[in-house]
Amino acid sequence: NAGVTQTPKFQVLKTGQSMTLQCAQDMNHEYMSWYRQDPGMGLRLIHYSVGAGITDQGEVPNGYNVSRSTTEDFPLRLLSAAPSQTSVYFCASSSSTGYSGNTIYFGEGSWLTVV
Amino acid sequence: DAKTTQPPSMDCAEGRAANLPCNHSTISGNEYVYWYRQIHSQGPQYIIHGLKNNETNEMASLIITEDRKSSTLILPHATLRDTAVYYCIVRAPRDSNYQLIWGAGTKLIIKP
Repeated sequence: NAGVTQTPKFQVLKTGQSMTLQCAQDMNHEYMSWYRQDPGMGLRLIHYSVGAGITDQGEVPNGYNVSRSTTEDFPLRLLSAAPSQTSVYFCASSSSTGYSGNTIYFGEGSWLTVV
Repeated sequence: DAKTTQPPSMDCAEGRAANLPCNHSTISGNEYVYWYRQIHSQGPQYIIHGLKNNETNEMASLIITEDRKSSTLILPHATLRDTAVYYCIVRAPRDSNYQLIWGAGTKLIIKP
């Protein structure tokens, strides 16, 4: 069981370039989300999705775009990279069902540097 | 603002029990307490969660006070591999907002 898979693991971008971070999960989870984590800080929610075709903004959505065409995939697009977007990005998924809460599973992270 | 308050760092001797406190004085009746940990910038790893009763699994125990305003995560026999940042989070099971507020967590250092 692969769980949550993120690619690429490392990426260096020039300011103004665009790119897509890929995220896939094989647990048939309805909920998926993207977080960023800056040094010494906790995770901050960028965008999330409660199902295919449904997305919404989190705490820090500016400069990022998402779509959810399938249950399995939730790509994160950087429209025009800026040095402030240098961070570690985590994708996560969880089920909407469950008798007592729903555990969130995280990918291993994507390290992005914008120069 | 984070809904939880944790000490920024703690030390524990290898083989001893590590007790990590968390204050969540504004917790709502339907919010669960979750604990995650993050080892050296890897993806956060689920540890345990609970609502009212104390919980135990193969990784840890969770003790929640009767008024639910605080909790303690217990790692019964800490090893060097338990060195990590531990996050305490409160969350409703089907929170439509889906906003998780992550604080800075507690950096737990296990010493030989």
